[in-house]
Amino acid sequence: EAGVAQSPRYKIIEKRQSVAFWCNPISGHATLYWYQQILGQGPKLLIQFQNNGVVDDSQLPKDRFSAERLKGVDSTLKIQPAKLEDSAVYLCASSSLQYNSPLHFGNGTRLTVT
Amino acid sequence: KQEVTQIPAALSVPEGENLVLNCSFTDSAIYNLQWFRQDPGKGLTSLLLIQSSQREQTSGRLNASLDKSSGRSTLYIAASQPGDSATYLCAANLYTGGFKTIFGAGTRLFVKA
Repeated sequence: EAGVAQSPRYKIIEKRQSVAFWCNPISGHATLYWYQQILGQGPKLLIQFQNNGVVDDSQLPKDRFSAERLKGVDSTLKIQPAKLEDSAVYLCASSSLQYNSPLHFGNGTRLTVT
Repeated sequence: KQEVTQIPAALSVPEGENLVLNCSFTDSAIYNLQWFRQDPGKGLTSLLLIQSSQREQTSGRLNASLDKSSGRSTLYIAASQPGDSATYLCAANLYTGGFKTIFGAGTRLFVKA
């Protein structure tokens, strides 16, 4: 089966600019996650979707981050305006069942904010 | 505060050695625990998912155990190979009224040929 697709792979922007990341989960996976991974740390959940509804966005900085999953398939994560501390790898993951099946990750987008 | 801790942070072993990676969690309300492998510049690859009702899971040279009462999971790698060099992360799915997944920071493993 095709894996989780993410684009772009790398992005360099200046602070206060905006950026968007795209994710296409594994076909048929209802649950989609966006994680932020800072170098040397484990991934931190930003937002979780079940189909096109938000299950958990408690750790999403809503003043600058937004995400959507229209039609319950692809998803986009946007940052506007970006801060230096947003430099990280943004990982998308999907699973067939919430919490009871393996998470499948994409290769991530490495964001550098200068 | 719910935490997941992985010890050691880094490990270097000669090829062929059997090794154990440790993962501890502070909340006994664990639903399941997943072990991942992460290669440099890549996403995470799922290795094993162990349910709270299970004591261990095996896949090839990998064996994961889970002890809810002590809040620990171990990943055993038999006959290590240079290709096993990567960062290994554990993630605990906890249920305390709602589900929450917490990742450890990982153990960076280097297997010397």
